[in-house]
Amino acid sequence: EVQLVESGGGVVRPGGSLRLSCAASGFTFDDYGMSWVRQAPGKGLEWVSGINWNGGSTGYADSVKGRFTISRDNAKNSLYLQMNSLRAEDTALYHCARVAAEDYYYYMDVWGKGTTVTVSS
Amino acid sequence: EIVLTQSPGTLSLSPGERATLSCRASQSVSSSYLAWYQQKPGQAPRLLIYGASSRATGIPDRFSGSGSGTDFTLTISRLEPEDFAVYYCQQYGSSPPFGGGTKVEIK
Repeated sequence: EVQLVESGGGVVRPGGSLRLSCAASGFTFDDYGMSWVRQAPGKGLEWVSGINWNGGSTGYADSVKGRFTISRDNAKNSLYLQMNSLRAEDTALYHCARVAAEDYYYYMDVWGKGTTVTVSS
Repeated sequence: EIVLTQSPGTLSLSPGERATLSCRASQSVSSSYLAWYQQKPGQAPRLLIYGASSRATGIPDRFSGSGSGTDFTLTISRLEPEDFAVYYCQQYGSSPPFGGGTKVEIK
């Protein structure tokens, strides 16, 4: 079964850091680009960041550029999102998603259930 | 950056009725790189349509997508009870933003 399971969410103070992880199973991980997509409470979907199949190309939404870093470890079938300088507006449910291509500029065909990040003092 | 505007914000319909959802792009979407997703409360989004009109695996044929350039449409021919949800469009020719979503609610 193709599956993505996120972890690492929690409550953090403004200015703090958090590292999210996404464990992939049921498919050949390094055949696909991957993305993080978040959803603030009661709001719509926002693409956060993407990475191509070998980690050689990455992209970020303007709202997180310079603060978040996406990475992957193909040997461990895992995707990561290092989040620094967190703000209240980063509070959201963070989904890991498989991109249906080797690059990350494509549609997302498999989604995880998400991990919740709350930024609050 | 391409901005996607979905309309209406909310669509109130009864089971069995036809739903027509619109997604308009601020610039032409290359190669019809437009996808549609369905999201139900408490669930992850599910891919419905890609390439503007191709159904994803396992998606019933009551869902159809059409359009090109800047105007795209998702049509649900006859609403089933499980179709009441929020629908998002997404363009993926460049940095892949989503539209704001259309909620299809029971009238």
